[in-house]
Amino acid sequence: NAGVTQTPKFQVLKTGQSMTLQCAQDMNHNSMYWYRQDPGMGLRLIYYSASEGTTDKGEVPNGYNVSRLNKREFSLRLESAAPSQTSVYFCASSALDGTYEQYFGPGTRLTVT
Amino acid sequence: GQQVMQIPQYQHVQEGEDFTTYCNSSTTLSNIQWYKQRPGGHPVFLIQLVKSGEVKKQKRLTFQFGEAKKNSSLHITATQTTDVGTYFCAGGSGYSTLTFGKGTMLLVSP
Repeated sequence: NAGVTQTPKFQVLKTGQSMTLQCAQDMNHNSMYWYRQDPGMGLRLIYYSASEGTTDKGEVPNGYNVSRLNKREFSLRLESAAPSQTSVYFCASSALDGTYEQYFGPGTRLTVT
Repeated sequence: GQQVMQIPQYQHVQEGEDFTTYCNSSTTLSNIQWYKQRPGGHPVFLIQLVKSGEVKKQKRLTFQFGEAKKNSSLHITATQTTDVGTYFCAGGSGYSTLTFGKGTMLLVSP
């Protein structure tokens, strides 16, 4: 039982490059989330998926797209990376909604030069 | 939109001293959760409060939810070096998401 896994752990991109961050959970959770964490800014929600087949914007969705591939997997895509997207990205899942605890993955540290 | 403010941003204590972090929401919450993130790690769930005036304890940690369900606090008695990390509150409004505070970073000197 791995919980929430994320790949890659580290990534360096040049401005304008694209990449996809992968996330998978093995807890049969309905909801999945993508956050970014910047120093002094806490955790800011980028996108979330309340159930398989649905996705919704969070607080900071610009420059990102997501895909809920199936119940287990939720990917985050940067189409044209910008230095402002340098951050630590966390994927999380919860059994149902905001009244259930969230389980976080180990994070992806992304640097855009 | 909903805002959750957390103070202080940072606190440095000597081992054995107490520590408190406070969380305030701009709107009434349905529930509040607390998470701890160790340096270099990911947030880990500590507890959830749902009832007005609720108080819960986990060993040296005491969590409170205000009567109006708009504020919460986490108090650590007699801090230890293992308490080092950033503590986040996260408010729920009955929907799919939580709004996280910016966190309080706790540093404990031996």
